Amino acid sequence: GENVEQHPSTLSVQEGDSAVIKCTYSDSASNYFPWYKQELGKRPQLIIDIRSNVGEKKDQRIAVTLNKTAKHFSLHITETQPEDSAVYFCAARRSNQFYFGTGTSLTVIP
Amino acid sequence: ETGVTQSPTHLIKTRGQQVTLRCSSQSGHNTVSWYQQALGQGPQFIFQYYREEENGRGNFPPRFSGLQFPNYSSELNVNALELDDSALYLCASRGTSGQETQYFGPGTRLLVL
Repeated sequence: GENVEQHPSTLSVQEGDSAVIKCTYSDSASNYFPWYKQELGKRPQLIIDIRSNVGEKKDQRIAVTLNKTAKHFSLHITETQPEDSAVYFCAARRSNQFYFGTGTSLTVIP
Repeated sequence: ETGVTQSPTHLIKTRGQQVTLRCSSQSGHNTVSWYQQALGQGPQFIFQYYREEENGRGNFPPRFSGLQFPNYSSELNVNALELDDSALYLCASRGTSGQETQYFGPGTRLLVL
């Protein structure tokens, strides 16, 4: 099956700085890569996604890049704000299954 | 917030008991997936239902079973509960083939004593 690894497990940045979270996957058949934000006690919320035929996607302060050859994809958050503090999960979809990373706890220090 | 709802929100059971969790999918969505999220971990895929048929299963034993109904709502049943089954159980729904985005419900937190 697919194996998704996510780094770092924790990340602290100063407000206004950028944050980068990286994920790797093992199965080249995976073709869709969403990112979720989960605040404490709440459901995961989709923040951005990318399909395997696209190398980069941006939505305001959030961007995702995908390198299919190297089998890795990254989340970039610019101009971080305290409300960006949460746990972020990457995922890869292969066939009908989504495989999630172990999460990155992001803290934005005011 | 999404239109996916789950019940109950919290549940306490003892080892060996059985539990049924419920999920109501977002309007127009015919695919429901169930996940187990242990504390500090990412969601782990249990299984997926599409038009009332299971069409994908993760690495979970047969005591985890499910159903999907004609209105696309779904149940997760867990028999012979074990302490390690304590977790947040999430369901997620998505639309017809070609629609990849899935939307999560708020989850049911299960505690097994």
